[in-house]
Amino acid sequence: SAVISQKPSRDICQRGTSLTIQCQVDSQVTMMFWYRQQPGQSLTLIATANQGSEATYESGFVIDKFPISRPNLTFSTLTVSNMSPEDSSIYLCSVAGADGYTFGSGTRLTVV
Amino acid sequence: DQQVKQNSPSLSVQEGRISILNCDYTNSMFDYFLWYKKYPAEGPTFLISISSIKDKNEDGRFTVFLNKSAKHLSLHIVPSQPGDSAVYFCAANYNFNKFYFGSGTKLNVKP
Repeated sequence: SAVISQKPSRDICQRGTSLTIQCQVDSQVTMMFWYRQQPGQSLTLIATANQGSEATYESGFVIDKFPISRPNLTFSTLTVSNMSPEDSSIYLCSVAGADGYTFGSGTRLTVV
Repeated sequence: DQQVKQNSPSLSVQEGRISILNCDYTNSMFDYFLWYKKYPAEGPTFLISISSIKDKNEDGRFTVFLNKSAKHLSLHIVPSQPGDSAVYFCAANYNFNKFYFGSGTKLNVKP
C-alpha cells in the first residue's frame, strides 16, 4: 500500500495566523482526502482533492478557510487559514489505492 | 445524520481473551467497510477491510464479520494483547466515495 509522509506532525499557532500541512505520497494516486478529528469526535471529511481539478468540499467547510492544492499525483497541501482555538484538531490526509486506503500520521494543531 | 455508529465508547478486556467491537450502519448502499486502530497523537492505522460480497474476513488475530441484513459489522481480536489498547474506528463507503466513520471504541486490554 501507499506510504504517506505528512508534515508537520504537530504545531502550536497563534490565532489569526495560517498553517499549511503537506502530504507526500510515495506513489501516484488519483484521489486524496483531507480529514479533521476534533477532540473526542470521529474523523470528518473536509474535502476531496483530485489532481487537475478544484477540491470538492463537504458541507460546513469552505475553500477560503481550508484552501487545498493538488499540483501533481503525489502531493497535496491543506491550509488552515485565520485560525481560531476551535480549529485545534488533528488533521489527516488519506489516499485511495488499489489495495485500500492509507492515512498520513496526522498533524496535531493547537491554536492559542 | 450519523450513518455509522459505534454505540460502545469503551471496552475493557483481559489479556488473552476475545475483544469484540461492534459497529452499526444505516445506509444499505455501503459496499466497503474498514476497521482502523488509532493510538494517541498518531494517525489511524488500517487494520482490516471487508467488501459487501463477503460476510467474513480474517487476518491473523483480527476477524471482521459483516451481517448485511442487520447492517452490523464486528471486529474480533483473539487473543487480545495489551498492545491492542487503542481507539478502534469502523468506517464505510460505497463506490469509492467518502468514508463515513463511527465515533470510535476505546479498547483497554489489561495484562
